[in-house]
Amino acid sequence: DSGVTQTPKHLITATGQRVTLRCSPRSGDLSVYWYQQSLDQGLQFLIQYYNGEERAKGNILERFSAQQFPDLHSELNLSSLELGDSALYFCASGGVNTGELFFGEGSRLTVL
Amino acid sequence: KNQVEQSPQSLIILEGKNCTLQCNYTVSPFSNLRWYKQDTGRGPVSLTIMTFSENTKSNGRYTATLDADTKQSSLHITASQLSDSASYICVVRETGGGNKLTFGTGTQLKVEL
Repeated sequence: DSGVTQTPKHLITATGQRVTLRCSPRSGDLSVYWYQQSLDQGLQFLIQYYNGEERAKGNILERFSAQQFPDLHSELNLSSLELGDSALYFCASGGVNTGELFFGEGSRLTVL
Repeated sequence: KNQVEQSPQSLIILEGKNCTLQCNYTVSPFSNLRWYKQDTGRGPVSLTIMTFSENTKSNGRYTATLDADTKQSSLHITASQLSDSASYICVVRETGGGNKLTFGTGTQLKVEL
């Protein structure tokens, strides 16, 4: 158990819809990272938050947005969903000093 | 541009055999390099970390090496087991604030009977 909690574990929705993925970081971690992993692909960095503020942005589509709340949990919002958005979405939190990331179990999104 | 390249892309070995996975990087300035293991459908888990001054580090049947001069790392798995079947991801961290990480695309290892 990494200490990072993601919900929901599975989500099936239709094209054009909007979903919200939720992440609670490990106790004490201020940073939250979001990654997308499509089938048989590597992890693609989407966005990083540190203590409520956006710290770094990767290949995140304009249809996607995220935020980190005062209690440090984070939400990733995916809108106008397309078939190609079907993927595993991982949240990670980590020690900024060591660089180690602790990943949640992921949210598997299926867009039909 | 900072890059991390891993080889081979995939590998199939028989149970009990050894294997070595490679990671070449161009990330600079270098802070550390981690190897993660990702079981199918699960989140990656850190196996080992290599810093600039470390050449070799072992974690059970896993041994990582680092050559900071040539910017190469390897992960050697000894006496493979079926449970070693996973994706192995090399991640390099830059120095400085912000925890900037560059991920490799991983090596998919399958261990068969």
